[in-house]
Amino acid sequence: DAGVIQSPRHEVTEMGQEVTLRCKPISGHDYLFWYRQTMMRGLELLIYFNNNVPIDDSGMPEDRFSAKMPNASFSTLKIQPSEPRDSAVYFCASSLGGLANYEQYFGPGTRLTVT
Amino acid sequence: RKEVEQDPGPFNVPEGATVAFNCTYSNSASQSFFWYRQDCRKEPKLLMSVYSSGNEDGRFTAQLNRASQYISLLIRDSKLSDSATYLCAVRSGGYQKVTFGTGTKLQVIP
Repeated sequence: DAGVIQSPRHEVTEMGQEVTLRCKPISGHDYLFWYRQTMMRGLELLIYFNNNVPIDDSGMPEDRFSAKMPNASFSTLKIQPSEPRDSAVYFCASSLGGLANYEQYFGPGTRLTVT
Repeated sequence: RKEVEQDPGPFNVPEGATVAFNCTYSNSASQSFFWYRQDCRKEPKLLMSVYSSGNEDGRFTAQLNRASQYISLLIRDSKLSDSATYLCAVRSGGYQKVTFGTGTKLQVIP
């Protein structure tokens, strides 16, 4: 089975540009999570969805960040305009809801550099 | 106090040694606990869930101590391939949201 798929794997952009990160969760998983990881702050949850509906976006740092999940197999995280402090690795993860789960499976991440 | 805390290490241990990491959590109502492994420049990968009765998977043993609010991971007979950062994760409340620790770095030395 394919795992979580993310694209692009690397993104280098200039300050002020729009950045769009993409994620395809594991088929059948009904939860999708976006995380950001930096050396200073570790792994931070930005937002998560259940059945394509945003449940908790309290981790989204500011209005420059937005996330959508138009269908069960695709999600985007957009940063507009990007700033150098947004440089980080962005992970998408998915999980299967239900009583016995909560285990999350991560994609390979997008390494974002904003210059 | 952070929700989830780990000693960042690094723990440098020789091959064959036994090493243990702890992870403390602040919310006494936390319900699910996990250990993830993250290799350099890779994504976190689920190592094991931690059950109330403790659980073992080969050389790895996870324990939960609710009274003192920590989970532990014991690695026996360390291998060079065990070198990685180990993240603990804690779920609180009735939702899927988990909080991750910042990780403990393990380096197994030949």
